[in-house]
Amino acid sequence: QKEVEQNSGPLSVPEGAIASLNCTYSDRVSQSFFWYRQYSGKSPELIMSIYSNGDKEDGRFTAQLNKASQYVSLLIRDSQPSDSATYLCAVNRDGGYNKLIFGAGTRLAVHP
Amino acid sequence: GAGVSQSPSNKVTEKGKDVELRCDPISGHTALYWYRQSLGQGLEFLIYFQGNSAPDKSGLPSDRFSAERTGGSVSTLTIQRTQQEDSAVYLCASSLSRTNEKLFFGSGTQLSVL
Repeated sequence: QKEVEQNSGPLSVPEGAIASLNCTYSDRVSQSFFWYRQYSGKSPELIMSIYSNGDKEDGRFTAQLNKASQYVSLLIRDSQPSDSATYLCAVNRDGGYNKLIFGAGTRLAVHP
Repeated sequence: GAGVSQSPSNKVTEKGKDVELRCDPISGHTALYWYRQSLGQGLEFLIYFQGNSAPDKSGLPSDRFSAERTGGSVSTLTIQRTQQEDSAVYLCASSLSRTNEKLFFGSGTQLSVL
């Protein structure tokens, strides 16, 4: 079992729809959770971080964390073609420094 | 600099040769990380530097891999006697401090071992 699992996709959504990306993790002691966006051929870019159970909203993005069920999700409202990218879920077990464990990523395609 | 800079952007080498990959982090960032991204895989942690010290090098896959950081700035990742399984994108990242969780990634070095 991988430590961080994501559906590889592609997840295809129409422009304007809500894209829902999911991630599960295996280690209950994980402390911090992150979503990175990676455009094809580019470096990952941090878009959301979440540390406690519940929802965290930032513009069109909402991160959701459920530690009891060990899942993290990212919702993208009003999806735009420019949101088409691979979304990487990452967790930090140890805290203290950025030793992140990444999922393989979910490819999102937003079509006009 | 404005961002994390890595060189070369692409490196093609023959099996058995040594390669050096360079990372120039954002000025003032004390924490530096190397990650590796293989095709279809998530990013894999390799090593963490705080200043010039490497408190965690647990992700280095074998003793063919080594890294150093000098002047609290530039880091070099060296792979000796490269193997085909070393082919991947090697990404460097830095953060302002050890506890600052905003990581800035460089654009990576695509290493291809023939």
